[in-house]
Amino acid sequence: DVKVTQSSRYLVKRTGEKVFLECVQDMDHENMFWYRQDPGLGLRLIYFSYDVKMKEKGDIPEGYSVSREKKERFSLILESASTNQTSMYLCASKELYTEAFFGQGTRLTVV
Amino acid sequence: GDSVTQMEGPVTLSEEAFLTINCTYTATGYPSLFWYVQYPGEGLQLLLKATKADDKGSNKGFEATYRKETTSFHLEKGSVQVSDSAVYFCALTEPSMNYGGSQGNLIFGKGTKLSVKP
Repeated sequence: DVKVTQSSRYLVKRTGEKVFLECVQDMDHENMFWYRQDPGLGLRLIYFSYDVKMKEKGDIPEGYSVSREKKERFSLILESASTNQTSMYLCASKELYTEAFFGQGTRLTVV
Repeated sequence: GDSVTQMEGPVTLSEEAFLTINCTYTATGYPSLFWYVQYPGEGLQLLLKATKADDKGSNKGFEATYRKETTSFHLEKGSVQVSDSAVYFCALTEPSMNYGGSQGNLIFGKGTKLSVKP
């Protein structure tokens, strides 16, 4: 069974903290993505990566950075967490023209 | 740019009712089309897909047909169950050459929440 695993289901962090969200896939996919999901706004793309050490900004990259040191792992970093980053975060991986596989999501609350 | 528009929810149906969730798209090339489902508290799962015009995707009693002439990919099910209550997302991936760095990115509609009552 294919798998995308996010390191935490639920996370509570304080304002100003540096937050790491980890995602690992076991399908040898080139492309990996981070989305955030908010009520009424659907899924919005934060960053994506199409190769190791490569990254591209999505629609809402402000306040976030990413790291892809190994093919299977794609990390999302909140440099200084703020309350408006409270959200559900979803990681996905895919080959170029095929469907994406999603992790179970991380619900982050910033207090 | 490419986009996906799906009907706003929420949609509330009684068990065994017929379901249609409308989805239309705009794309410069010939995209692949997908329906994803998200159960409460979970990530997204692929429900069905279609990769070319007139293809019909089907799974778990759900169907959708890729209509190039109307740029649509409407989701249908003949008889919904309480267990179908979820959020449904229509999506496309553009198979054209790399543009703006978006190599095969998925573009999603905003999602439609379905509630099925017993």
